[in-house]
Amino acid sequence: QLQVQESGPGLVKPSEILSLTCSVSGASISSYYWNWIRQPPGKGHEWIGSISNRGSTNYNPSLKSRVTISADTSKNQFSLKMISMTAADTAVYYCARAVRRWLPTGTSGGYYSYMDVWGKGTTVTVSS
Amino acid sequence: DIQMTQSPSSLSASVGDRVTIACRASQTISMCLNWYQQKPGKAPNLLIYAASSLQSGVPSRFSGSGSGTDFTLTISSLQPEDFATYYCQQSNSTLYTFGQGTKVEIK
Repeated sequence: QLQVQESGPGLVKPSEILSLTCSVSGASISSYYWNWIRQPPGKGHEWIGSISNRGSTNYNPSLKSRVTISADTSKNQFSLKMISMTAADTAVYYCARAVRRWLPTGTSGGYYSYMDVWGKGTTVTVSS
Repeated sequence: DIQMTQSPSSLSASVGDRVTIACRASQTISMCLNWYQQKPGKAPNLLIYAASSLQSGVPSRFSGSGSGTDFTLTISSLQPEDFATYYCQQSNSTLYTFGQGTKVEIK
């Protein structure tokens, strides 16, 4: 059964770098798309970015200048690095798998993506 | 960015009630709309993908409909374990965006 698990520091100082890792078991990261999402306290979800099975990345433009997502296929892990952390980055950070599949919907069908397996999330607080 | 707007932001309902949650996209997204359930302190759980496809293992009392810009999540008979917050999310754009959530509370 597929499981994903976030790990990393719970506390980061302002201006420092956040590094999180998502460990994947039950599936190879050489398949599917792998995502980072965050949820600030009491707020909605913000998609941070993703890395594909081919290693191509896609980032939220609002965070793109500060974020790097990478993968280590030998460890079956992918990682998030976010620089210049501020209090506004305090949030629960989730990793999740995204599936992209063709479905026979409508008149001709099409490709659809959805995030079907999520980690439990890791709380990151930015504070001195 | 495609903005996703849910309504209502919260509702109170009783066990056995039929509950409907709406989600509107700021531009057409075909059927690229997913629904998640989230309970306090837990990760989101996928309920519906591609607007109307039921995720494996999700009870059949959950259903989704819509296309274009207007979508609906329906719970046909609310159960005690369904009290949670529900989010829509669009995947038509490579920049995924979420609705702000609808909290379903016990009446």
